[in-house]
Amino acid sequence: DTGVSQNPRHKITKRGQNVTFRCDPISEHNRLYWYRQTLGQGPEFLTYFQNEAQLEKSRLLSDRFSAERPKGSFSTLEIQRTEQGDSAMYLCASSGEQVTNYGYTFGSGTRLTVV
Amino acid sequence: GQQVMQIPQYQHVQEGEDFTTYCNSSTTLSNIQWYKQRPGGHPVFLIQLVKSGEVKKQKRLTFQFGEAKKNSSLHITATQTTDVGTYFCLPGNTGGFKTIFGAGTRLFVKA
Repeated sequence: DTGVSQNPRHKITKRGQNVTFRCDPISEHNRLYWYRQTLGQGPEFLTYFQNEAQLEKSRLLSDRFSAERPKGSFSTLEIQRTEQGDSAMYLCASSGEQVTNYGYTFGSGTRLTVV
Repeated sequence: GQQVMQIPQYQHVQEGEDFTTYCNSSTTLSNIQWYKQRPGGHPVFLIQLVKSGEVKKQKRLTFQFGEAKKNSSLHITATQTTDVGTYFCLPGNTGGFKTIFGAGTRLFVKA
């Protein structure tokens, strides 16, 4: 297992199009998180899964955003009707029960550019 | 999730100088984690502090958790160009699963 994998690395899309990103966490990790990061800012929490259950979702997320983790393994984040303000780096992180010892492991992210 | 203020926002140092970033909370924290993000990279976990007054060291990095568990600091001794990046603190959750990072301190090191 080489860590958290995110695909694609880069995505350029036209405004109004839908996009979907994928995250493959570390296989032993049951916790999965999505964040959004813009230039010069810290990661902004979007949503959290424990196994397949989505237990927390940021109020900042509009209805255009949805995330799934159908089998408790990989996760997808979909943005519908993209807007220019959605341009950002989308980071996925995972952790096991021992998050206190090992922290969150981040993927390299998907950089979205909406033109 | 807890929210914290991280200062300074930016720090420019000459290679060999020391650097410190602070993370302050208005409420007591259960724990705090520190992460480093290199330019163009993703956050990487450095350490977690749990106990009041705890001090941990990793080579040239010293992490402290305040006695009241409301603040924390990361100190780098004799900075090197490899220390360049943004350092984020992440306060532990006291309820719920939302994780809120500090705004980060971006470190620039001039050789």
